[in-house]
Amino acid sequence: QQQVKQSPQSLIVQKGGISIINCAYENTAFDYFPWYQQFPGKGPALLIAIRPDVSEKKEGRFTISFNKSAKQFSLHIMDSQPGDSATYFCAASKKSGSRLTFGEGTQLTVNP
Amino acid sequence: EAGVAQSPRYKIIEKRQSVAFWCNPISGHATLYWYQQILGQGPKLLIQFQNNGVVDDSQLPKDRFSAERLKGVDSTLKIQPAKLEDSAVYLCASSLSLAGADTQYFGPGTRLTVL
Repeated sequence: QQQVKQSPQSLIVQKGGISIINCAYENTAFDYFPWYQQFPGKGPALLIAIRPDVSEKKEGRFTISFNKSAKQFSLHIMDSQPGDSATYFCAASKKSGSRLTFGEGTQLTVNP
Repeated sequence: EAGVAQSPRYKIIEKRQSVAFWCNPISGHATLYWYQQILGQGPKLLIQFQNNGVVDDSQLPKDRFSAERLKGVDSTLKIQPAKLEDSAVYLCASSLSLAGADTQYFGPGTRLTVL
């Protein structure tokens, strides 16, 4: 079964700190790796995404690091803010289709 | 631009009853998805439509779940009869095309409680 494993399950960070969430995948056919942010009562929303032809992508305070040989990717949130408190999901999909396989999620709490 | 609309937002039923959810995707989006999100887990794809044709329903429990997308726009997901383990949030998402890198836009979901 295609799986994406995510850690940690929960994370508490102080305001201004760095939040790091890690994911590992098994299927080498995966070609697209997005991160989604979900607030309570809302659907997931795309935060940032990467393809395996680059090792890093940065958008504002959010950075994805990608290690193709290790089949791992991570999300770094710099200068974490209380408004970043949410559940974050990593996901992956194959180039040939668009089904997203999600990780289990990380509940991030940023204390003021 | 209007987002993905879903209704109802909440539904409480007893086991063995039937229930239906409705989704209106973003205008012009050819691909529509239904995901099941159990509390504390990531969303799991149930079914994927391209226009009004089914692309992937490999994880849909077909003995009790059904879905249709008439005229390639709105979609309904039905559960009949419901079981306790069907308690979850049912998310509808849409994307412009079938390409794997197309952003999937999610609706707010329908929270189903089966008693």
